[in-house]
Amino acid sequence: DTEVTQTPKHLVMGMTNKKSLKCEQHMGHRAMYWYKQKAKKPPELMFVYSYEKLSINESVPSRFSPECPNSSLLNLHLHALQPEDSALYLCASSQDMTVFHYYFGAGTRLSVL
Amino acid sequence: DQQVKQNSPSLSVQEGRISILNCDYTNSMFDYFLWYKKYPAEGPTFLISISSIKDKNEDGRFTVFLNKSAKHLSLHIVPSQPGDSAVYFCAASAFAGGTSYGKLTFGQGTILTVHP
Repeated sequence: DTEVTQTPKHLVMGMTNKKSLKCEQHMGHRAMYWYKQKAKKPPELMFVYSYEKLSINESVPSRFSPECPNSSLLNLHLHALQPEDSALYLCASSQDMTVFHYYFGAGTRLSVL
Repeated sequence: DQQVKQNSPSLSVQEGRISILNCDYTNSMFDYFLWYKKYPAEGPTFLISISSIKDKNEDGRFTVFLNKSAKHLSLHIVPSQPGDSAVYFCAASAFAGGTSYGKLTFGQGTILTVHP
């Protein structure tokens, strides 16, 4: 199984809502990533987890809160988002942080109203 | 400041011909380069990679060339097939450490269309 599963596929939320994005992989990978992609732009790194510990935070605003409860699961908790946070959120995993052959999920398309 | 640039937003090629996608980078710490392919409504999938100790890597119809002095890499697809139509992203990282260690930096992508 080389799949990274992201749920939900689509999410619409108001600026006062709290929601979570979920990402799951069962390949035994020990590095997991959140990327944000806006239209016609490249994916931009947000967070890197290595062996369930937060390893890289690319100065992401605190309204985005990542969590890695176990080696297979990665969450992104969203609170008080702004309309400019509307984007495609991609999760990826790799064997570890030194392996750049990433497996990506299909993404969650987020709209903030 | 974009450290990885794909200056051609789109490329159109006839089936059977060669597709050449280009990528430039500015960060001299980058020492590992990858190409990803993305179909609509799917996540990017890994295609081919190259380390800075090489100048060429082949995998079937796909060849990546690296010119370190020019900070330029290219992806050649020969022969091109309609199923190759997708967005192609160039990406770079650094094994050697520094602020790019552990991160993949992506270019903007090039939309390849292969006509039958």
